[in-house]
Amino acid sequence: EAQVTQNPRYLITVTGKKLTVTCSQNMNHEYMSWYRQDPGLGLRQIYYSMNVEVTDKGDVPEGYKVSRKEKRNFPLILESPSPNQTSLYFCASSFGEGDTQYFGPGTRLTVL
Amino acid sequence: GDSVTQMEGPVTLSEEAFLTINCTYTATGYPSLFWYVQYPGEGLQLLLKATKADDKGSNKGFEATYRKETTSFHLEKGSVQVSDSAVYFCAWFSSGSARQLTFGSGTQLTVLP
Repeated sequence: EAQVTQNPRYLITVTGKKLTVTCSQNMNHEYMSWYRQDPGLGLRQIYYSMNVEVTDKGDVPEGYKVSRKEKRNFPLILESPSPNQTSLYFCASSFGEGDTQYFGPGTRLTVL
Repeated sequence: GDSVTQMEGPVTLSEEAFLTINCTYTATGYPSLFWYVQYPGEGLQLLLKATKADDKGSNKGFEATYRKETTSFHLEKGSVQVSDSAVYFCAWFSSGSARQLTFGSGTQLTVLP
């Protein structure tokens, strides 16, 4: 089944404790992206990747890191999480940057 | 700057009512336009799209027409069902300087039986 998977689905952590949210797609997509969803703000792009080893900042990259060592995986790293990073995070992938994006189920992160 | 403005919610309708959710965009060039839907507890999924002026996207009884003259892409459905209850997002992609999918703030739709 074609899908985008994210782990974990739910995470509660404390300020400053490094964490990684994994994202994997099995559709051989070149383009991958991370978004955060906050009430009243829609989805805002954090980082995106056009292909392996190519990543770039979206609208709200501060406090986040990403890597794209393999085509299928695009982990999101929070080196020192803060409470303002409490949000619902979505990973998405597509063949190209303007094509239909396929979203993962979301990761709800709470930073205390 | 480039943006998309979406009708504020929440919207509550009775089953079989007519639905319109307004969406207008401000963008340079000729963007591709999308409607995504998010059902409770799930990620977003594409509902329909249009890539050029006057194109009509349609799916599951929903329709939206790319109106370049009014820079709009309003979502419509003639007869909503309880199962249509979800959050609907308008989005656009431009191959200009922004080169990213830009989302509206979302409209929560609740359909009552």
